[in-house]
Amino acid sequence: EAGVTQSPTHLIKTRGQQATLRCSPISGHTSVYWYQQALGLGLQFLLWYDEGEERNRGNFPPRFSGRQFPNYSSELNVNALELEDSALYLCASSTGTSGIYNEQFFGPGTRLTVL
Amino acid sequence: AQRVTQPEKLLSVFKGAPVELKCNYSYSGSPELFWYVQYSRQRLQLLLRHISRESIKGFTADLNKGETSFHLKKPFAQEEDSAMYYCALTYNAGKSTFGDGTTLTVKP
Repeated sequence: EAGVTQSPTHLIKTRGQQATLRCSPISGHTSVYWYQQALGLGLQFLLWYDEGEERNRGNFPPRFSGRQFPNYSSELNVNALELEDSALYLCASSTGTSGIYNEQFFGPGTRLTVL
Repeated sequence: AQRVTQPEKLLSVFKGAPVELKCNYSYSGSPELFWYVQYSRQRLQLLLRHISRESIKGFTADLNKGETSFHLKKPFAQEEDSAMYYCALTYNAGKSTFGDGTTLTVKP
């Protein structure tokens, strides 16, 4: 069974630009989660999508946004990039809408560097 | 605010010794707590969750609501247990808060 995939592996942008990160969940999973892991910090919850809708978001500014497509894949968009957005962005997927009780399966991450 | 604290960034024990990775949380409601593990060059993966009350790879974790703790324990550490461990709290319909992680090194 293929796991969660993310693309690109690495992304280099400059301040003010926009970044788009992509995630494909495990087949059959309808929930997708996004996390930010900045250097030296733990995982910070960004967004949770399920069945195409945003279910919850963490304490991040509105320039962090995303969407989930009918095939349950997801995009994370970061507008007006700032230096402190440099981090590893992890995507995870799980089954069902009761995401809080379901195991999350993580992807390998996208390393975003903002210069 | 909801918070997960893992007080030890680094923890080193010898093979066969007991190991305890500490996790404290702050949340006023009923917490849903997990331990995730990341082995070298592998993805982050679930180790165990408190509602299952299970033992995985010899690890157990008991939720202590009085002390607001969810410490991870193993009586006899193995070298293959060396990894980064994250404690996580899920609340409010899907929001998750992770601790900063503890790197466990088990020496031969």
